[in-house]
Amino acid sequence: NAGVMQNPRHLVRRRGQEARLRCSPMKGHSHVYWYRQLPEEGLKFMVYLQKENIIDESGMPKERFSAEFPKEGPSILRIQQVVRGDSAAYFCASSPGSGGLDEQYFGPGTRLTVT
Amino acid sequence: DQQVKQNSPSLSVQEGRISILNCDYTNSMFDYFLWYKKYPAEGPTFLISISSIKDKNEDGRFTVFLNKSAKHLSLHIVPSQPGDSAVYFCAASARYGGTSYGKLTFGQGTILTVHP
Repeated sequence: NAGVMQNPRHLVRRRGQEARLRCSPMKGHSHVYWYRQLPEEGLKFMVYLQKENIIDESGMPKERFSAEFPKEGPSILRIQQVVRGDSAAYFCASSPGSGGLDEQYFGPGTRLTVT
Repeated sequence: DQQVKQNSPSLSVQEGRISILNCDYTNSMFDYFLWYKKYPAEGPTFLISISSIKDKNEDGRFTVFLNKSAKHLSLHIVPSQPGDSAVYFCAASARYGGTSYGKLTFGQGTILTVHP
């Protein structure tokens, strides 16, 4: 029973490039959350998605960031025109049930470094 | 606005003794609380949770206590083992209230070191 999978594990981008982070939830899970952890800080909520729907994007920066969870395939967090301040660990979590009523299980994270 | 706070950045404990990690929250809409353990370069691992209708939940060496009136929760690990050394995050969600849809609000984490 595979856990939450994220790839790539490490991603290096130059300023101005695009970053695409992928998350495959646990089997049977249809709810995906994205969190960001800046150095020396806790995880901060970014966005909550169900298949083909964004449920809550209150934690997403208004510009350059977008997320999707298509009917088929992984969830994608996309960051356009990256800046140094985007350097962080990005974690995806999934849960099986209706939003928030179940524990969230986290993937290993993608560490984004912007040079 | 830090709605979940872990005021101790680090805690050092001898093997076999009790570790007590503390967490305070300010949002009265929170009704579900969780503890996660995190090793470097890995994702957080779920440890234990508690609903606001309870004041205690136990799972093996781990016990979580909730004091709703004080808006305070704590995680007790007894006996502590060197393998427990990690960063511990408390998290909270408002599962039935508002529009938070169960998103988790995390504290800053406490680094626990258990010495042999």
